Amino acid sequence: AQSVTQPDIHITVSEGASLELRCNYSYGATPYLFWYVQSPGQGLQLLLKYLSGDTLVQGIKGFEAEFKRSQSSFNLRKPSVHWSDAAEYFCAVAGNTGKLIFGQGTTLQVKP
Amino acid sequence: DAGVIQSPRHEVTEMGQEVTLRCKPISGHDYLFWYRQTMMRGLELLIYFNNNVPIDDSGMPEDRFSAKMPNASFSTLKIQPSEPRDSAVYFCASSGDRSMYEQFFGPGTRLTVL
Repeated sequence: AQSVTQPDIHITVSEGASLELRCNYSYGATPYLFWYVQSPGQGLQLLLKYLSGDTLVQGIKGFEAEFKRSQSSFNLRKPSVHWSDAAEYFCAVAGNTGKLIFGQGTTLQVKP
Repeated sequence: DAGVIQSPRHEVTEMGQEVTLRCKPISGHDYLFWYRQTMMRGLELLIYFNNNVPIDDSGMPEDRFSAKMPNASFSTLKIQPSEPRDSAVYFCASSGDRSMYEQFFGPGTRLTVL
């Protein structure tokens, strides 16, 4: 069965510091992978996606993620975090059923 | 485009009452999804439609839940009768034909059942 694990429930970083949010997935074939962001009181917004090809994908708001098949991971990174990046981040996987399976989310807090 | 529109944004009701949540997808999108978000279970897909036809309702928790999509611009999720454990944020999302995975979410309806 497909599943997604986000090991970190809560992360705090200082503004201007680099960020890495971890995501591990379980899926038998090559997965489709996604990162979404949810600001308080809002719906989810797609940050980036991996469907095929280059394993390093660029997204909106300066985010990037790297697909590592050997580690079953799709970690999200940003070189310099801004206060406005404080939000909840969800990793998701999709298989041939077409459905997205979401991780439990990681809450990012940014210290001034 | 106005994005996905959901109403109401907040709903407080008493146990046993009927609740109807509404969603207007982005114009031209032919996939529509209903999700439920709770602290305990995270984000769960309840049901999704393609071209107004329900494709997969395996996530619908029980018969008290029903969803309809009478036309391409409107969908409802109904709970009858409602129970306190239905309290959650319900999201509607839509996507276009190019990639059903690139889903655009509405702001959600926060449901509280007393």
